[in-house]
Amino acid sequence: EVQLVESGGGLVQPGGSLRLSCAASGFTFSNYAMHWVRQAPGKGLESVSAIGSDADTTYYADSVKGRFTISRDNSKNTLCLQMGSLRAEDMAVYYCARAVNVGGGIIYDIWGQGTMVTVSS
Amino acid sequence: EIVMTQSPATLSVSPGERATLSCRASRSVRSNLAWYQQKPGQAPRLLIYDSSTRATGIPARFSGSGSGTEFTLTISSLQSEDFAVYHCQQYNNWFTFGGGTKVEIK
Repeated sequence: EVQLVESGGGLVQPGGSLRLSCAASGFTFSNYAMHWVRQAPGKGLESVSAIGSDADTTYYADSVKGRFTISRDNSKNTLCLQMGSLRAEDMAVYYCARAVNVGGGIIYDIWGQGTMVTVSS
Repeated sequence: EIVMTQSPATLSVSPGERATLSCRASRSVRSNLAWYQQKPGQAPRLLIYDSSTRATGIPARFSGSGSGTEFTLTISSLQSEDFAVYHCQQYNNWFTFGGGTKVEIK
């Protein structure tokens, strides 16, 4: 079964750091670009970061640039998101998602169940 | 940034009826538009990509149309399992999502 399982969420104070992980199984992880997408409570979805299949390229939304770092370990089928200088507006459910190429670009065909990040003092 | 606007925010529909959801882009995204379904406490599920192509395993009652800046998701005959939030996403320029349309039971 193709599966993505996130972990690492929790309560952190403003200005603090947190590291999220996403364990992939059921597919050849190293063949796919991977993304992190977040959803703040009661809000829409926001793509925050992406990494190429062999970690050669990374992308960040302006809202997290300079504070978040995406990485992957293809030998361990694991995706990570190191989050720093956390703000209240970073509070959200964070999903990892598998990216696949279609006619016009990239879409997300598999999502994890999400991990909640709460930023509060 | 391309802004995606979905309407209505909430759609009340009776089971068996047709539901039509709209998504508008602030500038052209060609046909690079996807739709996702999300149920409470669950991750989004891909329904449609390239504006009108159903993803694997998606029933034929779901259909998508449009190009440029105007897009539509139609559910021809709502089933109980279709009551959920629907998100549109453009992938022509990075990725941005609409605010979602909640389809609720009337």
